Amino acid sequence: DIQMTQSPSSLSASVGDRVTITCRASQGINNYLAWYQQKPGKVPKLLIYAASTLQSGVPSRFSGSGSGTDFTLTISSLQPEDVATYSCQKYHSAPRTFGQGTKVEIK
Amino acid sequence: QVQLQESGPGLVKPSGTLSLICAVSGDSISSSNWWSWIRQPPGKGLEWIGEIYHSGSTNYNSSLKSRVTISVDKSKNQFSLKLSSVTAADTAVYYCASSQIGPLDYWGQGTLVTVSS
Repeated sequence: DIQMTQSPSSLSASVGDRVTITCRASQGINNYLAWYQQKPGKVPKLLIYAASTLQSGVPSRFSGSGSGTDFTLTISSLQPEDVATYSCQKYHSAPRTFGQGTKVEIK
Repeated sequence: QVQLQESGPGLVKPSGTLSLICAVSGDSISSSNWWSWIRQPPGKGLEWIGEIYHSGSTNYNSSLKSRVTISVDKSKNQFSLKLSSVTAADTAVYYCASSQIGPLDYWGQGTLVTVSS
């Protein structure tokens, strides 16, 4: 099975900072990569799919990039409402494994 | 818009079987979606459990495959999860979700299942 590894596991940044989260697949997955945002106590929400396509309604400060094995999620200017855990998921074939998640906090 | 609602016992005894149902509204279970189960132990990350297509085709997480059964009930527009021989490690919030083009675009609210005697 393909493993998904995120880094870092947590980060603390100031409002307005640029934040980057990395997701690495143990084998190539083309661009079949999704990012989810889960705010504390809430249901996960699809942010980005196909590695770089923003889901409808997602603020433009979020962006995704990558293909093959290495992917990034970037928040261009961190806002207080972005405090959440972000998880990547491969979805081109089963098992549709998640990364372990990255917790983003405000410094 | 698809709406999903999980239901089932919130407490299961060790060695027992966890059984959950996901009721689907706003779409037919027979549409071209995959219907999935995901879980999240307290304070931990998301774990994909498995999925089913309306034809009955299933895919499971290899680490759970020997204990998991996902089935679909077209007459009730719902799908279900059964996880056997549960232990405390199976305590988690269980989510059902759907995917139209691959990623999970609709999620249920989740239901906490605790394994304890």
